[in-house]
Amino acid sequence: AQSVSQHNHHVILSEAASLELGCNYSYGGTVNLFWYVQYPGQHLQLLLKYFSGDPLVKGIKGFEAEFIKSKFSFNLRKPSVQWSDTAEYFCAVNAAGGGNKLTFGTGTQLKVEL
Amino acid sequence: GAVVSQHPSWVICKSGTSVKIECRSLDFQATTMFWYRQFPKQSLMLMATSNEGSKATYEQGVEKDKFLINHASLTLSTLTVTSAHPEDSSFYICSARDSKGGSQPQHFGDGTRLSIL
Repeated sequence: AQSVSQHNHHVILSEAASLELGCNYSYGGTVNLFWYVQYPGQHLQLLLKYFSGDPLVKGIKGFEAEFIKSKFSFNLRKPSVQWSDTAEYFCAVNAAGGGNKLTFGTGTQLKVEL
Repeated sequence: GAVVSQHPSWVICKSGTSVKIECRSLDFQATTMFWYRQFPKQSLMLMATSNEGSKATYEQGVEKDKFLINHASLTLSTLTVTSAHPEDSSFYICSARDSKGGSQPQHFGDGTRLSIL
C-alpha cells in the first residue's frame, strides 16, 4: 500500500516570501500525484495534478510542483505567497490502476502574514 | 467547475440513532464516489468506494454493517452511520469522480461534522 508524508505541519510566512512544501510518497509502481488546498471553511479544491509527461506541473493561482521520481517527491512551490494563500494543503497519491483511490498526507497548515 | 454537494453539513444526535449523509454531484455524473473520514489534525482516511449500481468496496478495518453505503444513481451516494456512538463522531467527507473517464480528479464535498452525544 502507498503512503504519503508531508514533513511540514505548520508553516508561517510573510507575504511575498517563497513557499516550498514537501511531499514524499512510498510506492514502487506508477503513481498519479495531486495537491489539494482547503481554504478556511471551504471544501478541498484541486491545485494541480501530475499523471505523466513534463514533471514540472503548473497549477492554479501561481502554484507549481515538481515530480522527482528518483526521490519519490512531489514538492509544491510558489515564488511569492499572498495573504489569501492561507489554507491547509494536502498532498495525495493514487496508484495507477489502483481504482482511483487517493491516499492523503497529513496536511500542511500555511499561514501567510501581512 | 464540478460541484459536489454534501448534506447535512453538521448533525448532532443521540447515541444509538442512525444518521444518513448525502453526497450529490450537481453538474456531472459519477459512477464512483468516495467516502472519507477525518479526525482532528489528521489526514483524510478513505473508508469506502461507492460504486453506482453495485456494492461498495470497504477499506480494511471499516465495518460495512456500521457504515452503510448506497449509490443508487449516477449523482447520489448516501452514507448511513447505523446505531451511532460517540466514537463515531468525526468529519465525514465525500468525493466524486466524473464518469467521463481519462485523467479526472476527484471533486470534494464540504464535509459533514457528526457529533454523537
